[in-house]
Amino acid sequence: EAQVTQNPRYLITVTGKKLTVTCSQNMNHEYMSWYRQDPGLGLRQIYYSMNVEVTDKGDVPEGYKVSRKEKRNFPLILESPSPNQTSLYFCASSFSQGVTGELFFGEGSRLTVL
Amino acid sequence: KNQVEQSPQSLIILEGKNCTLQCNYTVSPFSNLRWYKQDTGRGPVSLTIMTFSENTKSNGRYTATLDADTKQSSLHITASQLSDSASYICVVSARSGGGADGLTFGKGTHLIIQP
Repeated sequence: EAQVTQNPRYLITVTGKKLTVTCSQNMNHEYMSWYRQDPGLGLRQIYYSMNVEVTDKGDVPEGYKVSRKEKRNFPLILESPSPNQTSLYFCASSFSQGVTGELFFGEGSRLTVL
Repeated sequence: KNQVEQSPQSLIILEGKNCTLQCNYTVSPFSNLRWYKQDTGRGPVSLTIMTFSENTKSNGRYTATLDADTKQSSLHITASQLSDSASYICVVSARSGGGADGLTFGKGTHLIIQP
C-alpha cells in the first residue's frame, strides 16, 4: 500500500531534549516536505527536499533541521525543543513538485513540549 | 506576495444540504490548484487537482470549479453527509515563486455537517 509513515504519532517531551520525528515513503517520490499546523494558522512549511541531498528552508524553519540521505526518508530534527514548537506536524511526498505533483500526506505527529 | 484566501472560515449546514466553499488566489504564474480534505487529527487527502485549462472537475459529490481569469475557485459539495465534516484546504502551485517551492496554502474552511 502506497503511504507516508510518520513516527511517533504522539510525543510529550521537555524543553531542550533533542528529538527526531521520522518520515518514510514507499512510493519512490523525489519531493518530500514537512509542515506544522496550528489553530488558525493553517499548514506552514518547515523544510522541503527536491531530491536526495537537496534540502531547502520553507516558511518557518527556525529551530528545526532535516536531512535527506536516501530517497525514502526525510527525518525532522528538533535539536533543542521549546514550548512554541508544540504543534501537529505533517510530512508529505510527491512524485514531482509542480504541474502534476499531487501531495501525499502522513497521518501526523502531535508533539507537546513542556 | 502570493496568497490564497479561503472563505468562509467556518460553515455549519444540515445534513443533505449543498454548500460551496471559496478560494481566491493571487499566485502567479499559475500552475495548478488543488483541494484537500482534512479530517480532524488526520493528514490531508487530495480531492481534485486542476490545471489552467480545466474549468470543472468532479470527485463523487465534490465538484471543483476554476476561473483562471478572476483567479477564483470553488468547491461545491452536493447532498452533504456527516462524513463531510472536515477542513477543506485550497493549495495553489506556481511555476516559480510562491512558497519556497511554489506551493501556497490557504488556511482552510472548517465545515460541520449537523444531523
